Amino acid sequence: DAKTTQPPSMDCAEGRAANLPCNHSTISGNEYVYWYRQIHSQGPQYIIHGLKNNETNEMASLIITEDRKSSTLILPHATLRDTAVYYCIVRVASGYALNFGKGTSLLVTP
Amino acid sequence: DAGVIQSPRHEVTEMGQEVTLRCKPISGHNSLFWYRQTMMRGLELLIYFNNNVPIDDSGMPEDRFSAKMPNASFSTLKIQPSEPRDSAVYFCASTGFDGNTIYFGEGSWLTVV
Repeated sequence: DAKTTQPPSMDCAEGRAANLPCNHSTISGNEYVYWYRQIHSQGPQYIIHGLKNNETNEMASLIITEDRKSSTLILPHATLRDTAVYYCIVRVASGYALNFGKGTSLLVTP
Repeated sequence: DAGVIQSPRHEVTEMGQEVTLRCKPISGHNSLFWYRQTMMRGLELLIYFNNNVPIDDSGMPEDRFSAKMPNASFSTLKIQPSEPRDSAVYFCASTGFDGNTIYFGEGSWLTVV
């Protein structure tokens, strides 16, 4: 699976959009981009995934660049409950495991 | 659905004792994972089962660790004998046939003293 690079930490004001970047320059054509988050003391939680088109669900939006070498997870209106470590993971659809890196620690402040 | 259920949630044990962690995956899921999380190493995959069969156990640290899945609704991770460096949070996770969404349990917090 391709390697990902994320900033170690970010801050966001409550109510504002949180934009979390991820670089995956070695991504292969059959690899998807997955985002998970882990709130303190809880298990990781699935957020969203995509191949090359932008995706949106009730939690977030995923914007993937045309060359697929990077992506951005957008939390449109961050709340204090969104404070968590966010993991960007690249994996083939037929793969089984998620290889978690260090992720981005997002702090949402009042 | 109740989600992935793990027990115990917290365990403190003495070095040398046997530890057994238990997991009930989501009903209907055919893949099960055991992960370990520490501050130093982050989240590490220990073992992966598909249809109750171990597919990849390359992440199991050493012979002291063993995992079983006797049926589709139950798995155990055993550490014998336990050591202080085994102190970590152990997560069980499961997924269905599409494999896109992996659901994690709340973890078992193990402290070996």
